[in-house]
Amino acid sequence: KAGVTQTPRYLIKTRGQQVTLSCSPISGHRSVSWYQQTPGQGLQFLFEYFSETQRNKGNFPGRFSGRQFSNSRSEMNVSTLELGDSALYLCASSTWTGLDNEQFFGPGTRLTVL
Amino acid sequence: GQNIDQPTEMTATEGAIVQINCTYQTSGFNGLFWYQQHAGEAPTFLSYNVLDGLEEKGRFSSFLSRSKGYSYLLLKELQMKDSASYLCAVYNTDKLIFGTGTRLQVFP
Repeated sequence: KAGVTQTPRYLIKTRGQQVTLSCSPISGHRSVSWYQQTPGQGLQFLFEYFSETQRNKGNFPGRFSGRQFSNSRSEMNVSTLELGDSALYLCASSTWTGLDNEQFFGPGTRLTVL
Repeated sequence: GQNIDQPTEMTATEGAIVQINCTYQTSGFNGLFWYQQHAGEAPTFLSYNVLDGLEEKGRFSSFLSRSKGYSYLLLKELQMKDSASYLCAVYNTDKLIFGTGTRLQVFP
């Protein structure tokens, strides 16, 4: 079974630009969660999508948005980039049935904002 | 509020045993995960505790006390490859809340 894939793996942008990151979950997984990881803050939850609906949202500004498609692939968008947005962005997929809640992480997209 | 605390760094010697503690205060609780993350890599699942007690899985064991808001990860027979960050995460109403992680360094 193929794992979670994320594209691109590395990205360099400048302040004010916008960026779109992509995540393809494990086949059969309908839940996709996004996290931001920085050295000081650790892993912070951005949002979670399940069957094309945002089910949960973390405490991030509205510049961070996402969506999920009918094939469960998900995209995350960050508009008006700031220097502090430089981080590793991880997505994780899960069946999220309540019995099996293990999340499988992708390799991440490392975003650098200059 | 949501609060998950872990020690920032720990060191241990190859072959030894190390215990990484995690305390949590969250508005809800549906289970606790431990993940391992090597530098530059994605987190990988280690364990999931829902009920109180000890779950053993090879060299790794995880303990949970819901009444105390406390968990620990026990690593036995440490190997150099166990040098990594260990993340404690609470499953709270359909989302995972992570601690900042404990960086473990294993020395020969």
